Amino acid sequence: KQEVTQIPAALSVPEGENLVLNCSFTDSAIYNLQWFRQDPGKGLTSLLLIQSSQREQTSGRLNASLDKSSGRSTLYIAASQPGDSATYLCAVRSGGNQFYFGTGTSLTVIP
Amino acid sequence: DVKVTQSSRYLVKRTGEKVFLECVQDMDHENMFWYRQDPGLGLRLIYFSYDVKMKEKGDIPEGYSVSREKKERFSLILESASTNQTSMYLCASSLPPGGGIKTQYFGPGTRLLVL
Repeated sequence: KQEVTQIPAALSVPEGENLVLNCSFTDSAIYNLQWFRQDPGKGLTSLLLIQSSQREQTSGRLNASLDKSSGRSTLYIAASQPGDSATYLCAVRSGGNQFYFGTGTSLTVIP
Repeated sequence: DVKVTQSSRYLVKRTGEKVFLECVQDMDHENMFWYRQDPGLGLRLIYFSYDVKMKEKGDIPEGYSVSREKKERFSLILESASTNQTSMYLCASSLPPGGGIKTQYFGPGTRLLVL
């Protein structure tokens, strides 16, 4: 069974700093990997999706990379802002219709 | 604009009650999912459905059942609510692998408290 781990569990950075969130998974046979953002008490919002054949995806200040062979993905956030404060979750799609989620990294950006 | 809606944002029920959580998507997606989210445990899959009237158990199906009579609607049923089912319930939908954009879209969540 696929297992997804996110490190660190929590992160606090001053505004303007660049930061990296990590996600690792145990089974490299994946269809895709997705990064989500979740604000307190809310549902999940998709940020970036990387297909298994891709190495990275970019959207604005966000860049996600995928190294399938080593079972790792990173989410890079440039020039962090207080509005980036949220929990970030990664999920891998494997076994057809199954999605496996990490437990998330709680990010606080201090003004 | 794609949309997944859930029938309630907050729900308070008593132990032993039968509880219905409803989810509707307007994207004509084949796949629909029910997760629960608990602190420190992340999202755990309860059930998913890959077509009308089709369902498969996820990781934690005990105490739950589901119904998918129409493509756009996926219901989660707690047959006899218990306090350990207090949680945030999230519904999602997606296309099957092999067709179109393969992202998963989430509803806003239902926070259920069982007293």
